[in-house]
Order: sequence, then C-alpha cells, then structure tokens
Amino acid sequence: ETGVTQSPTHLIKTRGQQVTLRCSSQSGHNTVSWYQQALGQGPQFIFQYYREEENGRGNFPPRFSGLQFPNYSSELNVNALELDDSALYLCASGSGGSGELFFGEGSRLTVL
Amino acid sequence: AQSVTQLDSQVPVFEEAPVELRCNYSSSVSVYLFWYVQYPNQGLQLLLKYLSGSTLVKGINGFEAEFNKSQTSFHLRKPSVHISDTAEYFCAVSDYPYSGGYNKLIFGAGTRLAVHP
Repeated sequence: ETGVTQSPTHLIKTRGQQVTLRCSSQSGHNTVSWYQQALGQGPQFIFQYYREEENGRGNFPPRFSGLQFPNYSSELNVNALELDDSALYLCASGSGGSGELFFGEGSRLTVL
Repeated sequence: AQSVTQLDSQVPVFEEAPVELRCNYSSSVSVYLFWYVQYPNQGLQLLLKYLSGSTLVKGINGFEAEFNKSQTSFHLRKPSVHISDTAEYFCAVSDYPYSGGYNKLIFGAGTRLAVHP
C-alpha cells in the first residue's frame, strides 16, 4: 500500500500571499487531517475532512481552508500569509475506528 | 478538553543504556494514547498505541509503553538505545470515540532524545 504523500516539500512565500499544499492519502483511508508544526513545538490540529466535508476544526482562523476530493486527496489553502504561518504542515490520513493516523513527510513553508 | 505534558524537553543518554521518556495527560473521558517519533526533516512515524486492553504496549524498534490510568501517564521505555534512536519523540492523546466523529490528536511539546556513543 502507498503511504501519505505531500507536495511541495519546501516553499517560500512572502507575507500577504496565498499558498496551496497538497496531500494524497494512504490507500483505504477515508479521513484526512492537517496539522501545523511550528519550530520546536508539537503539531497542532488544523482540521479534518471526511466524505469531502470538514467535520472538525482546531483553533485556526478562516483564512485556513481545505478541500477533500473523491479520491481522498486533499488540499490546504492559506490566504493572507503571515510571518507566524512559517511552519511544517503535516497531512495525516486514517480510517476511523482505531484512532490511528498516518502522517506524510510534511511541507515546510517559510513566509518572508 | 485534553492536554499532554511531556516532562522532559531533552534526554541525553549513552548508547546501550536504558531510557524512559515521560508523558502525562489529562482528560475527562477515556482516551487513546500514542507515541510518535520524528527524525530530522521528516514527518511523524507511529511507534506504538494504546486503545484498550493490556496496559503494556509494545511497539516498533524495541520500544514499549505502559498505560497507568490512576496516574494518567503513558511513559515510553527502551531497555537499550542505539545511536539511530536519536530523534524527537511526541506523546499524543485522542478522545476519538467521544469527539463527535472526528479524530483530533493533541500532542505534547516533544522530548529530544540524544544518544551519545
């Protein structure tokens, strides 16, 4: 089975720009979640998608949005980038029941 | 609401020595517990999980953890570490069965394990 893959691995943006990060979930999984990991900290939950609908959200403003597609791939969109958005963004997929999540390698975003 | 406290930000240890990484959590409901490892510039890899049943959980790479409900702890142990175990370790908790249908992991701040020769 394939794992969780994310793209791009690294990117640099300037303040005020918009960014789209992409994720391909592990085969057989029907949920996808996104986490933000600032330098030196643990990951923080942004939101989760199930059946193409957002069904849970953490403490992040509306400029963080997402999409889940029928093939369970997903996008994270961040508008009006701020310097504090610089972080590693992790995508995770799961199939419910076990509560276990499988993480991708992440996309490292630098906002200048 | 759940929270996770990893009691040590850094743990230095010599190769082949035993190690324990400490994790305490708080929750008003039953939880699932996890330990993840993160190598430099990589994502998170699941080491082990506790969902129910036996309180002693064995994971990959020789790691194990013990769930202690009365002390709300889930400490990670390894009897003999290797240089390759140098990494960041994260404890996480989830109240998935009670969360309204979505699986949100709450992570601790991490413990940096540094294994020295």
